[in-house]
Formats: sequence, C-alpha cells, structure tokens
Amino acid sequence: DIVMTQSPVTLSVSPGDRATLSCRASQSVISNLAWYQQKPGQAPRLLIYGASTRATGIPARFSGSGSGTEFTLTISSLQSEDFAVYYCQQYNDWPPMYTFGQGTKLEIK
Amino acid sequence: QLQLQESGPGLVKPSETLSLTCTVSGGSINSDSSYWGWIRQPPGKGLEWIGNIHYSGSTSYNPSLKSRVTISVDTSKNQFSLKLSSVTAADAAVYYCASGGKLRYFDTERRDYYYYHGMDVWGQGTTVTVSS
Repeated sequence: DIVMTQSPVTLSVSPGDRATLSCRASQSVISNLAWYQQKPGQAPRLLIYGASTRATGIPARFSGSGSGTEFTLTISSLQSEDFAVYYCQQYNDWPPMYTFGQGTKLEIK
Repeated sequence: QLQLQESGPGLVKPSETLSLTCTVSGGSINSDSSYWGWIRQPPGKGLEWIGNIHYSGSTSYNPSLKSRVTISVDTSKNQFSLKLSSVTAADAAVYYCASGGKLRYFDTERRDYYYYHGMDVWGQGTTVTVSS
C-alpha cells in the first residue's frame, strides 16, 4: 500500500508570507496527486489535481508541483482565509482509489 | 448547482451495521462521467476514503474496509448509500458523501492527458457515534 506522509505537521506563517507544504509518497505516484483544504467544521475543498492543475475557482496564489514521490503545495502571499488544514491525496488512474496524507495544519504566526 | 446531503442514524450500536444515504440534488446521478463516494473523518483526525460507485454499479473500496463495506446506488431516487457492517468505536466519525467528475489534465511526466475522478462536490457531513 502507498503511504502518504505530509510535513510539517503544523506550519506557522504570517499573513502575506509564502507557505510551502510537502507531501511524500512511499513509492512513485507519477503525477497522481491532489491537494485539499479543510477549514474547521467544513467539508474539504479540492484545490489541485494532477500535481499542478488548479481546480475551478481556486486562486492563482495556490500552486502545486512535483512528481514521483515528492510534491509541494505553495501558497504565495497568505490570506486570512488560507489558514486551514491541507491534505494531499494520491489516486489511481483506474479504478478510482485514493489515499490521503495525515494533513498539515497551517496556522497564523 | 450540484448539492449532496447525507442522512442516517447518528448513533449505531457496536457490532451493528451503519447505514447512510446521500441524496443528490441539482444534477443526475445517472452521469457517465461522475463518481459518487464516501469519505470519513474520526474526531480530530484526518480523512479516510471509504469507497466509490458509478451509476452503472461499478464500485471500488478501500482495501482496509472492503470486507465490511457496501456502496449502492438508487437511480430512481437520485441517491447512493453506504453500509458498514460490524462497527466498533473506531468507526465513529464524520461521514461525508462526495462526487467527482472526470477532470482532465495534462500529465507533464507522462506527456499525455489523464483524468482525475476527484471529489469536487461534498456534502456537509454527518456525525456517527458508535455506542451501546
């Protein structure tokens, strides 16, 4: 089974600064990597898929990169609404199957 | 605008079967490009994918739950359902239903187009407690 490991567990960043979140896969997942944002009491929201493609309506300050086993979610110029928990997710081409990372909490410094 | 709403008992006894339904509105469950799934989140913990179904009845399940999970679809009611048998305290969680279409993207590593059958519409979630 593929294990997804996110780091750090908690990231403290000041508004306006850049945040860099990491996700590592235990084996290559090619570019089959998505990122989700979850705020307290809310359902997750899809941000990125295919490692770097932004979902509909996601601001350009969110960007994803990486392939194989190492992936990064970068949020440039953090806004107050960006402080949340972020999950990476690897997926199969077919059939659709998914594994989430344990999450990174992005908090205000 | 597609909307999903979970429903079902909020309290289930240990060893019994958890049953939840997700009602789809603003769209049809009979969409060839859509997948319908369940994800759960134990209190204070991360997300765990449970399984997916296509309106045709094709399913895929998390291997760690596969022996206890059944997901089905009722096209006449525009609903899909989750059954999880032999529940224990470890199954207590917020259960979300979600849907995803075929999101096309260009894979720069494989240099071709692929699809992400992702979860871009979610229900609000329903809390399930396991207790006698």
